[in-house]
Amino acid sequence: GQNIDQPTEMTATEGAIVQINCTYQTSGFNGLFWYQQHAGEAPTFLSYNVLDGLEEKGRFSSFLSRSKGYSYLLLKELQMKDSASYLCASPDTGRRALTFGSGTRLQVQP
Amino acid sequence: KAGVTQTPRYLIKTRGQQVTLSCSPISGHRSVSWYQQTPGQGLQFLFEYFSETQRNKGNFPGRFSGRQFSNSRSEMNVSTLELGDSALYLCASSLAGTVDEKLFFGSGTQLSVL
Repeated sequence: GQNIDQPTEMTATEGAIVQINCTYQTSGFNGLFWYQQHAGEAPTFLSYNVLDGLEEKGRFSSFLSRSKGYSYLLLKELQMKDSASYLCASPDTGRRALTFGSGTRLQVQP
Repeated sequence: KAGVTQTPRYLIKTRGQQVTLSCSPISGHRSVSWYQQTPGQGLQFLFEYFSETQRNKGNFPGRFSGRQFSNSRSEMNVSTLELGDSALYLCASSLAGTVDEKLFFGSGTQLSVL
């Protein structure tokens, strides 16, 4: 499967903007997902990018550069409830399975 | 509509025992996937079922098995439990299991092996 890297932890301030980066192998690329997971809860879908560029959904945006093997999730106007783990994932080549990064734990402080 | 339901929510077992976990997908979803989540390894793919057939399998030993029923409900079984099997087991469903489909996850079964 894909080799996916993302930072382990990040801290940001309420009301600020934070960018969570994710890098992946470019061979056999089938798109990139972002999921949010609050502690003790199920991961929930945030975005899916397969083409280059920025996609905006309210306070959350996701960016993809296929040539660079790079994606980021941008969270604006941070709220305390945004404290969660953010998981970057990509479908494996040739099979219906996702390879996940280790997740970035975001802590939003007052 | 109801989300993905996993039972039980928590399980405590001892080494050598076996365990069966259950997953009910969202109504109409025919693809069910299972993932293991641990602090050290993150989420790792176990297997995926569609129309009662296992289409994909991850790199886990044969002690891990699963099945899917005609109503799309799925079970996974772990035999001869080891301490390292302690993890959160997550089930996810989607309509057809295509690579670009988002997954809907259940809250998971937290398995502790003592």
